[in-house]
Amino acid sequence: KAGVTQTPRYLIKTRGQQVTLSCSPISGHRSVSWYQQTPGQGLQFLFEYFSETQRNKGNFPGRFSGRQFSNSRSEMNVSTLELGDSALYLCASSLGRERRETQYFGPGTRLLVL
Amino acid sequence: AQSVTQLDSQVPVFEEAPVELRCNYSSSVSVYLFWYVQYPNQGLQLLLKYLSGSTLVKGINGFEAEFNKSQTSFHLRKPSVHISDTAEYFCAVRNNDMRFGAGTRLTVKP
Repeated sequence: KAGVTQTPRYLIKTRGQQVTLSCSPISGHRSVSWYQQTPGQGLQFLFEYFSETQRNKGNFPGRFSGRQFSNSRSEMNVSTLELGDSALYLCASSLGRERRETQYFGPGTRLLVL
Repeated sequence: AQSVTQLDSQVPVFEEAPVELRCNYSSSVSVYLFWYVQYPNQGLQLLLKYLSGSTLVKGINGFEAEFNKSQTSFHLRKPSVHISDTAEYFCAVRNNDMRFGAGTRLTVKP
């Protein structure tokens, strides 16, 4: 089975621009969660989508948004980029039925905001 | 809300020595506990998880962890480390969402 894939792997943007990141979950997985990883704040939960609905949301400003498609693929969007948005963005997928399930992580998208 | 504290930010050890990476959690409800490993420029890989039952959990690559409810701890151990174990290790707790500790950088020296 193919793992979680994320595109692009690397991205450079400038302040004020917007960016869209994509995540394709493992086949059969219906839940996709997004995390931001930075040296200062560590790993922080952004949001979780299940069956095209946002099921849970972390404490991030409204500039961070996401969506999930009927094939479970997910995108996250960051508008009006700030320097502090530079980070590794990880997505993770799971079956989505129970909280005890393992989340499988993709390799991440490294975003640099200049 | 749940939270996780990893007590050591860096742990240097020599090859073939035992290691323990410490993790404490806080939660007002039952949670599920996980240890993940992250190698450079990669995502996170699950080492092991505690859901219920036996408090000693065995994982991949010779790692194990012990769940201690009274001390709210979930320490990760390996009896003999290899150079290839050098990586960042994250303890995590899940209730509604997944909360991660700050990470412990394990460096194995020859």
